[in-house]
Amino acid sequence: AQKVTQAQTEISVVEKEDVTLDCVYETRDTTYYLFWYKQPPSGELVFLIRRNSFDEQNEISGRYSWNFQKSTSSFNFTITASQVVDSAVYFCALSEPSGYALNFGKGTSLLVTP
Amino acid sequence: DGGITQSPKYLFRKEGQNVTLSCEQNLNHDAMYWYRQDPGQGLRLIYYSQIVNDFQKGDIAEGYSVSREKKESFPLTVTSAQKNPTAFYLCASSLTGTGGVQAEAFFGQGTRLTVV
Repeated sequence: AQKVTQAQTEISVVEKEDVTLDCVYETRDTTYYLFWYKQPPSGELVFLIRRNSFDEQNEISGRYSWNFQKSTSSFNFTITASQVVDSAVYFCALSEPSGYALNFGKGTSLLVTP
Repeated sequence: DGGITQSPKYLFRKEGQNVTLSCEQNLNHDAMYWYRQDPGQGLRLIYYSQIVNDFQKGDIAEGYSVSREKKESFPLTVTSAQKNPTAFYLCASSLTGTGGVQAEAFFGQGTRLTVV
């Protein structure tokens, strides 16, 4: 069975600080996909990134970066120079390549204060 | 603009009533999903459908029913058999996995259901 653990329930930082959100996953599949979604107060989940199990390259997109390490089954998300607009709940998710639905972690609530 | 529309945004249900949550997408996606979100619980899958006229139970399907008569629509009915229906419900859609690629899901803005 697949499982996603986001051990940090809530994180609070001051604007401009860097923050890392942890995601650890379990799966017996050799092929799988990992995702990060952002849920702002409006409620809609916004897709941030998808990574497949064969691609361990780190990714950077503006202030966002992701560190995927198969050796530790982790897919961590770092926000550099955080901003108040980054305040949201962030979800890590895992899926098999069969078209089945995503298996979500419980989310990390990030609060960025001025 | 393409996207997923859920309605209503807020819904109140009396004990013993069935209610139906609407989900419509114009993204031409084959797959659609319903998730339930409770505080501190993440998202749990209720039902999903990968093609018209076919759907599968997710992890917490008891007390819920769905239909998929059209590609664009995937309504969710919360029946009186669902003992604790108060939650935030999210609908999503995606392309089905082809060539071993899992596509990202796109989400609606959710319906908050409260039992009164």
